[in-house]
Amino acid sequence: AQTVTQSQPEMSVQEAETVTLSCTYDTSENNYYLFWYKQPPSRQMILVIRQEAYKQQNATENRFSVNFQKAAKSFSLKISDSQLGDTAMYFCAFPSCGANSKLTFGKGITLSVRP
Amino acid sequence: GAVVSQHPSRVICKSGTSVKIECRSLDFQATTMFWYRQFPKQSLMLMATSNEGSKATYEQGVEKDKFLINHASLTLSTLTVTSAHPEDSSFYICSARWGSGANVLTFGAGSRLTVL
Repeated sequence: AQTVTQSQPEMSVQEAETVTLSCTYDTSENNYYLFWYKQPPSRQMILVIRQEAYKQQNATENRFSVNFQKAAKSFSLKISDSQLGDTAMYFCAFPSCGANSKLTFGKGITLSVRP
Repeated sequence: GAVVSQHPSRVICKSGTSVKIECRSLDFQATTMFWYRQFPKQSLMLMATSNEGSKATYEQGVEKDKFLINHASLTLSTLTVTSAHPEDSSFYICSARWGSGANVLTFGAGSRLTVL
């Protein structure tokens, strides 16, 4: 079974600075996807970025990028030029395989961006 | 893009009554939808996988008679909390998978249930 671990419950960053959120996972599969979701105070889940395991290049979406280390099973999210609107809970997620695959979420990390 | 509409966003019920939460895919067909429960400052807990035209698959520990799921069409799944009690008060979120291969989920805005 897949597991996802987010060991940092809370982090804080100054506006305009860079912050990295950690995530590790465990799987026996070779090809898979990984996701980072954001949940702001509105509680709407928003997809931030996804990474395909068979691609060596790290995914990037504007100020968000990942550091994907497949051998180490590490999938961290880097937020550059942090903005107040980045304040949210962030969840790392890993989908299982199969026709009715489902996402396994990490416990989440609460990120606070300070003005 | 893919949009999932979830209603009601907030509902208050008296203990012993039932409440239905709807999850609709607005611009795509969803053969599979997922229902989650989330307690404050905690992660999403998968309750069940809703399959169009067949019975839902419940996660271990989730009472299927308590949380009735109906996925009668390709765009609608409903979660009915039967005989609700205060301990059922929670935030419930649905999601639907769209596209092929990537297993990307689109989430509804969630429903806050308060049982008095």
